[in-house]
Amino acid sequence: GNSVTQMEGPVTLSEEAFLTINCTYTATGYPSLFWYVQYPGEGLQLLLKATKADDKGSNKGFEATYRKETTSFHLEKGSVQVSDSAVYFCALSDRWGDMRFGAGTRLTVKP
Amino acid sequence: EADIYQTPRYLVIGTGKKITLECSQTMGHDKMYWYQQDPGMELHLIHYSYGVNSTEKGDLSSESTVSRIRTEHFPLTLESARPSHTSQYLCASMGLDTQYFGPGTRLTVL
Repeated sequence: GNSVTQMEGPVTLSEEAFLTINCTYTATGYPSLFWYVQYPGEGLQLLLKATKADDKGSNKGFEATYRKETTSFHLEKGSVQVSDSAVYFCALSDRWGDMRFGAGTRLTVKP
Repeated sequence: EADIYQTPRYLVIGTGKKITLECSQTMGHDKMYWYQQDPGMELHLIHYSYGVNSTEKGDLSSESTVSRIRTEHFPLTLESARPSHTSQYLCASMGLDTQYFGPGTRLTVL
């Protein structure tokens, strides 16, 4: 079945550091790929998405590129801020609309 | 921007009580979901619905039940709450290929 594997956390960075959170997937066909963010005490918010190979999703300085050849969708940000501290989830959606989520990666950014 | 609401946001209740967690969405989405989120953050699908009068159990066995009488409303009920039910409960609805989440209900059973 479809599945998502993402980098285990927690990840702790200093402000303005470069962020990478790795995500790989297993799926039949051509899934859509997502990154969600969850701030403390809140639900998940869609951060960015990509629907086909080589698409790049971007939002709020975060980027991720759909790499079919490596089945990956790594999240990157060039300069993190304290306000980026949250839990990040990688996810996929297949053509039947079933979604699979990764286990989540907690990011803490220190001033 | 998605409009999906959950009430209450926080609930502390004694063992044995019956509770209902409310979830509503105004987007007309047919597909709706309930997840239980453990302290380790991982999401576990406990129920889903593909439309009115459709309900299915998810990947994680749960003692809760759900109903879907109206498209916009997908409540979750626990007939007799226990401390093991203490968790964060997240509701979501799906438009096209994207799920939109409510703010969650933090349930504590004493």
